[in-house]
Amino acid sequence: RKEVEQDPGPFNVPEGATVAFNCTYSNSASQSFFWYRQDCRKEPKLLMSVYSSGNEDGRFTAQLNRASQYISLLIRDSKLSDSATYLCVVNPGTGNQFYFGTGTSLTVIP
Amino acid sequence: GAVVSQHPSRVICKSGTSVKIECRSLDFQATTMFWYRQFPKQSLMLMATSNEGSKATYEQGVEKDKFLINHASLTLSTLTVTSAHPEDSSFYICSARWRMWESTDTQYFGPGTRLTVL
Repeated sequence: RKEVEQDPGPFNVPEGATVAFNCTYSNSASQSFFWYRQDCRKEPKLLMSVYSSGNEDGRFTAQLNRASQYISLLIRDSKLSDSATYLCVVNPGTGNQFYFGTGTSLTVIP
Repeated sequence: GAVVSQHPSRVICKSGTSVKIECRSLDFQATTMFWYRQFPKQSLMLMATSNEGSKATYEQGVEKDKFLINHASLTLSTLTVTSAHPEDSSFYICSARWRMWESTDTQYFGPGTRLTVL
């Protein structure tokens, strides 16, 4: 079983729509969680960290469900500029390894 | 967020030559840096973990004699692709681990190096 699993998509949504991505992780002892955004032919950029209490940054909301071992990212009022691949990343808290999902592709359509 | 630079951003070389890529953390010290490779339309693949002052840890299937990693200081790690061949053409991305407090432990990525081997 992979450490981190994501639905690769693609998700094609109209401008203004709300879209949600989920990501599951296998190690129940994992310590910290992140969402990164990667544009085509660019490096991943940290979008937000995910805390147990959930966190919100503008149109983006991230939540963690430890009982079910998944994290989610909600994007409200989608913009064309939100089109990218969204990577789920999990830090198990031991050793140096971070685990990456394969990414979920989002295209926002005019 | 923290800033990581990578140089060069793009390199084209002949088969058989060696290419050195530098990764620097500009505003923080990174005891750990990571090197990734990404082929078109594929996921990031971790190649190795670079630890300051010690040998790198390579992932399975990555040849340590071909991809030489040096992490001589807390702000610089280098990846040297030795005797590069066309199949080594890829997007190489480094990241630096940033730890501020107990609850802050994440990675910041460099802008990547696009390597083309002719």
